[in-house]
Amino acid sequence: EDQVTQSPEALRLQEGESSSLNCSYTVSGLRGLFWYRQDPGKGPEFLFTLYSAGEEKEKERLKATLTKKESFLHITAPKPEDSATYLCAVQAEDNAGNMLTFGGGTRLMVKP
Amino acid sequence: DVKVTQSSRYLVKRTGEKVFLECVQDMDHENMFWYRQDPGLGLRLIYFSYDVKMKEKGDIPEGYSVSREKKERFSLILESASTNQTSMYLCASSLSSSGTDTQYFGPGTRLTVL
Repeated sequence: EDQVTQSPEALRLQEGESSSLNCSYTVSGLRGLFWYRQDPGKGPEFLFTLYSAGEEKEKERLKATLTKKESFLHITAPKPEDSATYLCAVQAEDNAGNMLTFGGGTRLMVKP
Repeated sequence: DVKVTQSSRYLVKRTGEKVFLECVQDMDHENMFWYRQDPGLGLRLIYFSYDVKMKEKGDIPEGYSVSREKKERFSLILESASTNQTSMYLCASSLSSSGTDTQYFGPGTRLTVL
């Protein structure tokens, strides 16, 4: 059974204080790992897809990396507008359609 | 830009009512999905569809049914709403079932069953 665990559950940062969010996964074979951002009361917004170990992707203050067992979302010099819940999801090679298995999310709060 | 819309942002229904949640995507995507999201339980897949009139059960299909009569529209039906179906419902779509395709989500429907 595919499993995704995100840590920490919640993270409080001061503006400008860089940190990382962790996504550990167990799948029979990874087809893709996805990061989403979700604001309160809204649907998840796509950020990145990573396909293979060693891959990195960047968008503004966010950088996602992937190993064979986990992915990190690095946030450099965060701003209050980066406050949101960040979701990680995996798609397994033997998965029908595009089904994703989601982690529980990390709620990030950035204080000015 | 991909756009996924849901018929209502907020909905309040009574126990036993039949409830329809509608989702429309404008990008000719083959796959469509219905999830529910609850605190502490994350996103859980209810049903998905990879083609018109085709449907597959997800992790928690009990108490729900779906309909996909047109490619762009995917409906979630609660035959007889119960209080434990109070939740945030999210619809998503993706291009095709081959390869790795990103799922794009709608804004969500917050359903309260009294």
